[in-house]
Amino acid sequence: DTGVSQNPRHKITKRGQNVTFRCDPISEHNRLYWYRQTLGQGPEFLTYFQNEAQLEKSRLLSDRFSAERPKGSFSTLEIQRTEQGDSAMYLCASSMGQGVNQPQHFGDGTRLSIL
Amino acid sequence: AQKITQTQPGMFVQEKEAVTLDCTYDTSDPSYGLFWYKQPSSGEMIFLIYQGSYDQQNATEGRYSLNFQKARKSANLVISASQLGDSAMYFCAMREGGNTPLVFGKGTRLSVIA
Repeated sequence: DTGVSQNPRHKITKRGQNVTFRCDPISEHNRLYWYRQTLGQGPEFLTYFQNEAQLEKSRLLSDRFSAERPKGSFSTLEIQRTEQGDSAMYLCASSMGQGVNQPQHFGDGTRLSIL
Repeated sequence: AQKITQTQPGMFVQEKEAVTLDCTYDTSDPSYGLFWYKQPSSGEMIFLIYQGSYDQQNATEGRYSLNFQKARKSANLVISASQLGDSAMYFCAMREGGNTPLVFGKGTRLSVIA
């Protein structure tokens, strides 16, 4: 049973460039979440999918951010026209079902650094 | 208002000793779940233990146990027999019924000393 996989592990880019991250959830999990974690803070929710439907987006998800999960399997998170403040760890998690007791299982994250 | 409060930015514990990491939460929802995660320096968030609001008994998972005091709205993590590999950031998180995302605290950095 493989865990949640995220690629790339690290991304360094210049301000103004576009970046895309990929997340492959645990295969039988129907829910997929994106979080952002800045230094010294806990993860903050960005958005989540149930199968291919994007059900909720945080106010943190500005119009420069877009997430997709086209076939209900892997997901991509794209940031357009990156800014210094986008530097963070981007974490993906997945879970099975919607019960309050379902733990979310996280990947290793993608660390984004904006030069 | 903070939904999850972790008041200890850093903690030290001697190897083989027990340590308690504090977590208080704020919710008016009667149905909620509380989770603890471990984040080593590699960055991965590792699920440790879960406690439901309706659970009558404190959760336990190996060396991890949760001291759940519902009236005080606290859910402290107890790690027994600390090991050097326990050195990491520890996050308390809550999920409220009908509301899917996890809300995390700011974390506690635990350092285990040989």
